[in-house]
Amino acid sequence: GAGVSQTPSNKVTEKGKYVELRCDPISGHTALYWYRQSLGQGPEFLIYFQGTGAADDSGLPNDRFFAVRPEGSVSTLKIQRTERGDSAVYLCASGRTSTGEQYFGPGTRLTVT
Amino acid sequence: AQKITQTQPGMFVQEKEAVTLDCTYDTSDPSYGLFWYKQPSSGEMIFLIYQGSYDQQNATEGRYSLNFQKARKSANLVISASQLGDSAMYFCAIRRGGGNKLTFGTGTQLKVEL
Repeated sequence: GAGVSQTPSNKVTEKGKYVELRCDPISGHTALYWYRQSLGQGPEFLIYFQGTGAADDSGLPNDRFFAVRPEGSVSTLKIQRTERGDSAVYLCASGRTSTGEQYFGPGTRLTVT
Repeated sequence: AQKITQTQPGMFVQEKEAVTLDCTYDTSDPSYGLFWYKQPSSGEMIFLIYQGSYDQQNATEGRYSLNFQKARKSANLVISASQLGDSAMYFCAIRRGGGNKLTFGTGTQLKVEL
């Protein structure tokens, strides 16, 4: 079946602009995660959804970052007033349950100029 | 808080040989899970193997096995009969029991040579 998909695959934006990154999880997966991976680092947790609600947003770096999952499927990560330090690969993962295996998408490479 | 340490930034192995990638962890939780992921140059994280803290036996998945030494807090990945396609970045990760988020190490870049 189809895996986790993320769009766009690449996004270049200017400092100060607003961006939205989209994640389509595997059908039927209730758990959805966002991670951020900077160059030379492992992924860092941002936020976790169980169904429609954000069950854990402790990894969001500041209030410029926000994520939604209004129907319990597709999720959008939103970044306001982007900064050059936001440049990274944003990974989405989904799972059948919160304690099960996480399946990752290919990521969105965000570059803030 | 949980932490993963991967001390080998890069490793080389000859095709068909076995290789061990090191991972040590730190956690105060009595229940936790350890994961290994492979990240090829395409960027996608591919799940390889899982070990629960209460599992009595070391996990194995095909050519992958996890050398779990609880007292030493280590969870090394062993890849047997290396193939050229194994060249990739490998990440060790931990999740507390009942938790959700994964905490990753900095990874080991493995290069398989002819």
